[in-house]
Amino acid sequence: GAGVSQSPRYKVAKRGQDVALRCDPISGHVSLFWYQQALGQGPEFLTYFQNEAQLDKSGLPSDRFFAERPEGSVSTLKIQRTQQEDSAVYLCASSRRRTGHGEQYFGPGTRLTVT
Amino acid sequence: KQEVTQIPAALSVPEGENLVLNCSFTDSAIYNLQWFRQDPGKGLTSLLLIQSSQREQTSGRLNASLDKSSGRSTLYIAASQPGDSATYLCAVSRGYQKVTFGTGTKLQVIP
Repeated sequence: GAGVSQSPRYKVAKRGQDVALRCDPISGHVSLFWYQQALGQGPEFLTYFQNEAQLDKSGLPSDRFFAERPEGSVSTLKIQRTQQEDSAVYLCASSRRRTGHGEQYFGPGTRLTVT
Repeated sequence: KQEVTQIPAALSVPEGENLVLNCSFTDSAIYNLQWFRQDPGKGLTSLLLIQSSQREQTSGRLNASLDKSSGRSTLYIAASQPGDSATYLCAVSRGYQKVTFGTGTKLQVIP
């Protein structure tokens, strides 16, 4: 079946522009996670959704970052007034379980470059 | 705060060698530990998931062990192949809360 998909795969933004990154999780998966991966580093947690509820947003680096999952399926990560330090790969993952016992399936990521 | 460390950061081995990658974590109250593989420019591929109640998991040439009390996990790769070259990441989770990743071990298997 289809895995987690993300779009766009690559995004170049000028500093100050707003961007929106999309994640389509595996159908029926309850949990959805967003991560930020800087070059040469492991992914860093940004936020977690259980269905449409955003239960943890403690990893969002600033109030310029906003995520939503209004119908409990597709999710969008929005970054306002992008800065150069926002350049990274943004990974989305979904899981069938809601308790954290479940295996996470990752999308290919969106590579954001802010110039 | 959970911290996950992976040693070594990079490893280069000749084809056919058996090898061990190490992962350590500071908070033993975890629900599971997952090993991933990441190829350059790609997302993460799950290799093995070990629940906190388990000691090990095996898939083909891969074997992962978990010692929760000491905060350690190892990934054993038997008879390494050039196609195994990638970055290997371990990640621990607690409840539905954020998953904490290590910084990875970059493996190169030389033909």
